Amino acid sequence: DAGVIQSPRHEVTEMGQEVTLRCKPISGHNSLFWYRQTMMRGLELLIYFNNNVPIDDSGMPEDRFSAKMPNASFSTLKIQPSEPRDSAVYFCASRRGASGGGAYEQYFGPGTRLTVT
Amino acid sequence: GDSVTQMEGPVTLSEEAFLTINCTYTATGYPSLFWYVQYPGEGLQLLLKATKADDKGSNKGFEATYRKETTSFHLEKGSVQVSDSAVYFCALSDRGTGGSYIPTFGRGTSLIVHP
Repeated sequence: DAGVIQSPRHEVTEMGQEVTLRCKPISGHNSLFWYRQTMMRGLELLIYFNNNVPIDDSGMPEDRFSAKMPNASFSTLKIQPSEPRDSAVYFCASRRGASGGGAYEQYFGPGTRLTVT
Repeated sequence: GDSVTQMEGPVTLSEEAFLTINCTYTATGYPSLFWYVQYPGEGLQLLLKATKADDKGSNKGFEATYRKETTSFHLEKGSVQVSDSAVYFCALSDRGTGGSYIPTFGRGTSLIVHP
């Protein structure tokens, strides 16, 4: 299995621009998570989906952030407009077993390093 | 809500030293517990897990025991290597109000092993 795939691996953009991060979960996994990691705030859960449906988006920092999962094999995290404080590493993770998934581990992608200047 | 507390790092050790990284948790339900490791420039990967009280998870010489009475899941290794240098995250997965299993992570503990 290829694991969780994220693209791009690095993104540098100017303040005010739209940024779209992409994720392909492991085939057969029912849950998908988006995280943000910074030195100051550590690892933050932004949103997670079960069976393509958003379950909890309470971690999304503000309306500039949005996430979609149009099908079981693809998800996007969009920031519009981007700001310098959005600079971070964004991880996507997937997990099997949406409803009974408590005992299952998450599989993380390699991350997208976003720099907003 | 649920929370995970880890000892602050960095933890600096010499090769072959004994390692302990403390982790305690609070949870409303009966969570599963995990240790993840993150190497520089990579995503987190599972190191070990335990799903019920008194279970011991182990992998690559690392061990952790699920202690419900002390709500702890401390990570140990008898003899660390330079290649163990990484950031270690304690995490739990607990059933939320909607029935879904929500992950909660600690802040991570950086381990530096010197030759």
